[in-house]
Amino acid sequence: GAVVSQHPSRVICKSGTSVKIECRSLDFQATTMFWYRQFPKQSLMLMATSNEGSKATYEQGVEKDKFLINHASLTLSTLTVTSAHPEDSSFYICSARASYGYTFGSGTRLTVV
Amino acid sequence: QKEVEQNSGPLSVPEGAIASLNCTYSDRVSQSFFWYRQYSGKSPELIMSIYSNGDKEDGRFTAQLNKASQYVSLLIRDSQPSDSATYLCAVNIGTGNQFYFGTGTSLTVIP
Repeated sequence: GAVVSQHPSRVICKSGTSVKIECRSLDFQATTMFWYRQFPKQSLMLMATSNEGSKATYEQGVEKDKFLINHASLTLSTLTVTSAHPEDSSFYICSARASYGYTFGSGTRLTVV
Repeated sequence: QKEVEQNSGPLSVPEGAIASLNCTYSDRVSQSFFWYRQYSGKSPELIMSIYSNGDKEDGRFTAQLNKASQYVSLLIRDSQPSDSATYLCAVNIGTGNQFYFGTGTSLTVIP
C-alpha cells in the first residue's frame, strides 16, 4: 500500500530556533499533501494544504510566515516551524491522497523548551 | 457549527459486544467519508472509506452512510480489547481535496 515516510519522529528544540519536518511519499506521487497538528487529547486540525509546484493553502488562523511549507517535488513536502515557541509543541502529521484514500505519515512529536 | 462532529465519549463496551460510533457533518456536497483509528501517540490508520449511501462491511467493521441525514457511523462487531482506541471520522468538505476530522470518540473495550 501507499506509504508516507515522515521524519523526524521526535524533536526537541530550543525556543526561537527553527525545525524542519519532512514527508515523503515512497511508492506513489503526491501532488497534494496535507499538514495537521494535534494537541493532547484533541483531534487533528488541518493546518495547510501543500501543492506541488505552487504555494500552500493555509487554514484560517495558521500563520504562513511561521509555518513554512515547501512542496518542490511530487514525493516530498516539508514543514518548517520557524522561531518555535513552547506553544508550538504538538504532534505534527502529514497526509497524502493515495488510490484508496488518505494515508498518514507516522507523525512528529515536537517539543519546544 | 463544526464541519464534522462526533460524540467524544468515552464509550465503553464489554468484549464481544457491538460498538457503535456516530458522526455528523455539515456540508451536503461532501462525497468522501473515512473512519480512522488512532492509538495514543500514534498516527491515524485507515479502517474504512465509504462513498455511497448504505452499508459497507469489512470484516468486523461496518460503515453506514446516510447522505440525506448527513451522518456516517461505524459499527464494530465482536469488539476486542485491542479495538480500544480513539476513532476519528473524516469528511471531505466541498469539492476540494481537503478533509476534516471530527474530535474523535474514545472507545474502551472491557475484557
